[in-house]
Amino acid sequence: GQQLNQSPQSMFIQEGEDVSMNCTSSSIFNTWLWYKQDPGEGPVLLIALYKAGELTSNGRLTAQFGITRKDSFLNISASIPSDVGIYFCAGQLTGGYQKVTFGTGTKLQVIP
Amino acid sequence: GAGVSQSPSNKVTEKGKDVELRCDPISGHTALYWYRQSLGQGLEFLIYFQGNSAPDKSGLPSDRFSAERTGGSVSTLTIQRTQQEDSAVYLCASSPVGLASSIQYFGAGTRLSVL
Repeated sequence: GQQLNQSPQSMFIQEGEDVSMNCTSSSIFNTWLWYKQDPGEGPVLLIALYKAGELTSNGRLTAQFGITRKDSFLNISASIPSDVGIYFCAGQLTGGYQKVTFGTGTKLQVIP
Repeated sequence: GAGVSQSPSNKVTEKGKDVELRCDPISGHTALYWYRQSLGQGLEFLIYFQGNSAPDKSGLPSDRFSAERTGGSVSTLTIQRTQQEDSAVYLCASSPVGLASSIQYFGAGTRLSVL
C-alpha cells in the first residue's frame, strides 16, 4: 500500500544533541500526525497538525505542517536516552472516511 | 478499558494452523483499524471498521485473512492456514468520531510467529 517517505531511516546521536526528521508525500494531506513507538509497544501520538504552516510544540518536540501540505518535519531538542524508538509520521485527507497513511519510520538511537 | 487491549500478546503457531487475534478498542470509539508490522518495517494497513461494517478491506493480503467486529466493539482478525511470511506484529487501533477522528490509539500488538 501507499506509504509516506521518511528520512532518515535511522540515526545515531549523542545525548543532548538536537534531532531533525522529515516526511514527504507525493500528494497533499489536510492532517499530519507524528507518533513514537517504543520497543514492544504500539505507536503513541506525539503531535497533531491540522493547518498548513502550523508549528506546534510538545515539550522538547516541535513539528511543522509544510506549507505545500506535502511534507512535515519533527524536531527533538536536547535528546535524552528515553527518546529512543521509532518515529512515524502519518497523513490524512479530511472529509468522510479517509485512510490514514503512515510513513516508513525513523529509528532513533541515543548514545548516553 | 482505558486503552486499546490486544490478546494474546504473543502467539507461536505451526505453519498451516489457523489463528485468531483479538482487539478490544477504547470504549465509545466507532472506528477500528488493523495493521501489520513486519520486523523493522512500517505499518501496513489491513482493514478498517466503522461500527460493525468494514468499508475498507483493501489491505488484506489474501483470502486467508479475514476480520469481523461485533457489537461495535471487539474485533477478531483471523488468519487461516498460516504461512511463515505471516510472522509479524499485528497492531489494532481505534479512533473517535468528529474532529479528532484522524487520531488513532494503538494497542501493544500481538506478535505472531509461524514456525
